[in-house]
Amino acid sequence: AQSVTQLGSHVSVSEGALVLLRCNYSSSVPPYLFWYVQYPNQGLQLLLKYTSAATLVKGINGFEAEFKKSETSFHLTKPSAHMSDAAEYFCAVSDRGGNTPLVFGKGTRLSVIA
Amino acid sequence: EPEVTQTPSHQVTQMGQEVILRCVPISNHLYFYWYRQILGQKVEFLVSFYNNEISEKSEIFDDQFSVERPDGSNFTLKIRSTKLEDSAMYFCASSAMGTPSPLELFFGEGSRLTVL
Repeated sequence: AQSVTQLGSHVSVSEGALVLLRCNYSSSVPPYLFWYVQYPNQGLQLLLKYTSAATLVKGINGFEAEFKKSETSFHLTKPSAHMSDAAEYFCAVSDRGGNTPLVFGKGTRLSVIA
Repeated sequence: EPEVTQTPSHQVTQMGQEVILRCVPISNHLYFYWYRQILGQKVEFLVSFYNNEISEKSEIFDDQFSVERPDGSNFTLKIRSTKLEDSAMYFCASSAMGTPSPLELFFGEGSRLTVL
């Protein structure tokens, strides 16, 4: 069975600083990995996904994530935080592809300080 | 832009009462899902639905839960006799078949259920 661990339930960064949200996965087969974002009072929105093509994946709003098999990690980064990035971020994994259920992490709340 | 809509946004109910949460998936999508998030915990898979039947369900989705697509647009989650531990945010999601990535789920804003 697959699982996801997100380190840090709350991360706070200054505006303009690097954003780094950590995600480690466990999967017995090659995984598909995702980052979703939830802005206040909105649903979950896909930021980016890794589906066994390039290991560095670029998403919306300047975010990117790198799949590192040796570290079983899929950390989310953004070079310069904006106030509008404040939200809850969820890492998710699926290990079979197709329409299989995603397994989510607990989420990390990102705060951006002016 | 097409979106998944959920109603109600918040429902308060007494323990033992039946609750129906409603979802309108994106119109050309064929796969439908319910997830839930208990406050402070992970987003958990409940059930997936395709071609008018459940395709997969989790251990959480016991006999108290049921799903239905009563017409061409709605997708409902029914909890027959609510318990305190059913209090959570319930998310509906849908995905299209034949897209580059059928795994791309589109989520609604969620329905918050509070059981007293």
